[in-house]
Amino acid sequence: EAGVAQSPRYKIIEKRQSVAFWCNPISGHATLYWYQQILGQGPKLLIQFQNNGVVDDSQLPKDRFSAERLKGVDSTLKIQPAKLEDSAVYLCASSVRGDRSADTQYFGPGTRLTVL
Amino acid sequence: AQSVTQLDSQVPVFEEAPVELRCNYSSSVSVYLFWYVQYPNQGLQLLLKYLSGSTLVESINGFEAEFNKSQTSFHLRKPSVHISDTAEYFCAVIETGANNLFFGTGTRLTVIP
Repeated sequence: EAGVAQSPRYKIIEKRQSVAFWCNPISGHATLYWYQQILGQGPKLLIQFQNNGVVDDSQLPKDRFSAERLKGVDSTLKIQPAKLEDSAVYLCASSVRGDRSADTQYFGPGTRLTVL
Repeated sequence: AQSVTQLDSQVPVFEEAPVELRCNYSSSVSVYLFWYVQYPNQGLQLLLKYLSGSTLVESINGFEAEFNKSQTSFHLRKPSVHISDTAEYFCAVIETGANNLFFGTGTRLTVIP
């Protein structure tokens, strides 16, 4: 079974520029998550999709971050404009259903963003 | 509000020695508990999880964790570590019925030959 795919793996941009990350979840997984992992910290949930609807985006800085899930499969996370404090690893995860808190979340390799 | 504390940010241990990685959580309701492992340049992988039943859960590579409700702990142990166990380990908690998985800050385990 193919895992969660993410691209790019690394991205370096200057502050105030825009950037987008792409995620392809495991086939058949209804729920998709985006996490932000700042160096030295654990992952923090930014947004959760159930199919193509948003379940939780309470931690998403909506003035600069946006995300969408196309047709309930792939997803993109965008930052516009980027700030220095956005430097982090952005992780995508998926789970079979997500409406059961016991479901295992499967993580992609992440995208390491550096904002200069 | 729920939270997870991993007191040890780094744990060096010699090969074949035992190890314990500590995890404490706080929550006012019942929870599910997870340990994830992140090998260098790889994504997070589930190591083991506690949902209900036996408080001792095991992974396929020799790790085990015990849920202790009275001490609100879910410490991870292995009786004899290998070089290949070098990685970062994250404890995570989710309240039953909730959607949001909360992670600790991680413990970097380094196995010394």
